Amino acid sequence: QKEVEQNSGPLSVPEGAIASLNCTYSDRVSQSFFWYRQYSGKSPELIMSIYSNGDKEDGRFTAQLNKASQYVSLLIRDSQPSDSATYLCAVRGSNYQLIWGAGTKLIIKP
Amino acid sequence: DVKVTQSSRYLVKRTGEKVFLECVQDMDHENMFWYRQDPGLGLRLIYFSYDVKMKEKGDIPEGYSVSREKKERFSLILESASTNQTSMYLCASSPRQGATDTQYFGPGTRLTVL
Repeated sequence: QKEVEQNSGPLSVPEGAIASLNCTYSDRVSQSFFWYRQYSGKSPELIMSIYSNGDKEDGRFTAQLNKASQYVSLLIRDSQPSDSATYLCAVRGSNYQLIWGAGTKLIIKP
Repeated sequence: DVKVTQSSRYLVKRTGEKVFLECVQDMDHENMFWYRQDPGLGLRLIYFSYDVKMKEKGDIPEGYSVSREKKERFSLILESASTNQTSMYLCASSPRQGATDTQYFGPGTRLTVL
């Protein structure tokens, strides 16, 4: 059974600090990795996708991928209260499917 | 921008009723998906389709069926609704070709079965 694991949280971070979210996956051959943000009562929206080892930066967000260790992380710099949400990690499986983690709830304290 | 729409935001049905949830996407995506999301369980795949009239079972297909008669439309059917099908239902679509497998979600339908 292919799995994606995330700490459910909640993860509480002071405003302005760096939030670090982590995700591990079991399928060694996975090639595509995604971070989605989901506000309460809303549907998931894509924040970042990453396909190669290393870091990928987009504004305040940085995705990090380490295929050898089978983990992917998301860093949020200068955290804002509007970043408070649940963050879902997803990994490409077979047949165009994504395998989803259960999500980490992030709370940014003003 | 990709747009995925779902027929209802909130729906209340009675046990035993037949329920139709509709999803439409406007980006000519080949792949479409139906998920349900429950607290603490994350997103669970019910069915998906990678072409018109094609369907594949996901992780939890029992009690559900789907229909894809047109490329842009993917319907989820609850043949006889039960209280344990009370959930948030999310539709998503993605392109088949290209380097990305990004899935784009509709706003969701919160279904309550009484």
